[in-house]
Amino acid sequence: AQSVTQPDARVTVSEGASLQLRCKYSYSATPYLFWYVQYPRQGLQLLLKYYSGDPVVQGVNSFEAEFSKSNSSFHLQKASVHWSDSAVYFCALRWGGGNYKPTFGKGTSLVVHP
Amino acid sequence: DAGVTQTPRHEVAEKGQTIILKCEPVSGHNDLFWYRQTKIQGLELLSYFRSKSLMEDGGAFKDRFKAEMLNSSFSTLKIQPTEPKDSAVYLCASRLTDSNERLFFGHGTKLSVL
Repeated sequence: AQSVTQPDARVTVSEGASLQLRCKYSYSATPYLFWYVQYPRQGLQLLLKYYSGDPVVQGVNSFEAEFSKSNSSFHLQKASVHWSDSAVYFCALRWGGGNYKPTFGKGTSLVVHP
Repeated sequence: DAGVTQTPRHEVAEKGQTIILKCEPVSGHNDLFWYRQTKIQGLELLSYFRSKSLMEDGGAFKDRFKAEMLNSSFSTLKIQPTEPKDSAVYLCASRLTDSNERLFFGHGTKLSVL
């Protein structure tokens, strides 16, 4: 069955440190993959997406993600985090085959200490 | 640009009541989604409409949850009767078409059932 797994429910880092948020997926074909961010009391906003081409995709606010077909992963990275990056991050996969519904991971809560 | 509008922002209900949550998608969008968000389960799909046709009704949520698209610019989610375990944030999202993969989310309705 198609699924998205974010193994870390919560990640804590210091401001200025590098960041990696992990995402693993299970899907039989090449998926559309997304990262969304949710700031407190707001809806989700798109950070970046991947379907094909260069496995490293750039997103807003200096985030990037790397797709790995061999590892079935789509990890989110940032070289230097800011306290304002504190939020919940969701990895998502869009099904194909005529359905096209998105499936979300359970999210990773990022806390950045000043 | 008008994004996805959800009303109300907060709802408090007594157990057994009927509540109706409202959503106005981005103008011109063809796909509409209702999700339930909790810390434990993350985002769970309740309903998925494409061009006002119901594509998926969220399986386990069928018996007390009913989403409708009265027209292309308005959707409701009825919960009847409410139970305390329904306390969660309910998110509405819209998408232009299934070929334009980004979802636009509303701020959500926080439901508390006493």
